[in-house]
Amino acid sequence: DQQVKQNSPSLSVQEGRISILNCDYTNSMFDYFLWYKKYPAEGPTFLISISSIKDKNEDGRFTVFLNKSAKHLSLHIVPSQPGDSAVYFCAASAYGNQFYFGTGTSLTVIP
Amino acid sequence: DAGVIQSPRHEVTEMGQEVTLRCKPISGHDYLFWYRQTMMRGLELLIYFNNNVPIDDSGMPEDRFSAKMPNASFSTLKIQPSEPRDSAVYFCASSLGGGWQGTTEAFFGQGTRLTVV
Repeated sequence: DQQVKQNSPSLSVQEGRISILNCDYTNSMFDYFLWYKKYPAEGPTFLISISSIKDKNEDGRFTVFLNKSAKHLSLHIVPSQPGDSAVYFCAASAYGNQFYFGTGTSLTVIP
Repeated sequence: DAGVIQSPRHEVTEMGQEVTLRCKPISGHDYLFWYRQTMMRGLELLIYFNNNVPIDDSGMPEDRFSAKMPNASFSTLKIQPSEPRDSAVYFCASSLGGGWQGTTEAFFGQGTRLTVV
């Protein structure tokens, strides 16, 4: 059973606009959440994370929001750039052991 | 550090053959993970090790799959016999710490694309 879900397989956004990628989880024990970015023929690379004690974490153009009551997190990219085009995976962990990943959202930023 | 190193990058094999995928984690990392990427399930955790000891192999799909970590710098994932439905990209990842030690992200290798014909 998929504990981390990304219900949008793809997303297209105009350059300069905001990209919002969503992720839902089912396990209330998850206490650490991550976003990974993956280019074709490469391994996923870490982008940004958030601990369950926070509801927002920002790093440059990337902001992750966590809504624990809704078991939902989102990644905002502002402004979106063509180089952001990639597959984005949401991941969650309980006590830093296993990392459970979603199925990914393919983002295309249109110049 | 060179990061997580996987070999081979590509593997094409015939159904029924044994396949061995290899991984060298980042030095000093005490967790190692094997993932399989498919369209349907995304990044699916197969097994993970802590300090070379297998902790959870519940994601291993069948007895045809086995994984070992004989030392802190090497792990293998073996499929015997291989089947066409095993075709996927297999990733190895490593991380440092966990729990009270603080959580860090997992670092991934470039993956092995396996094709079973």
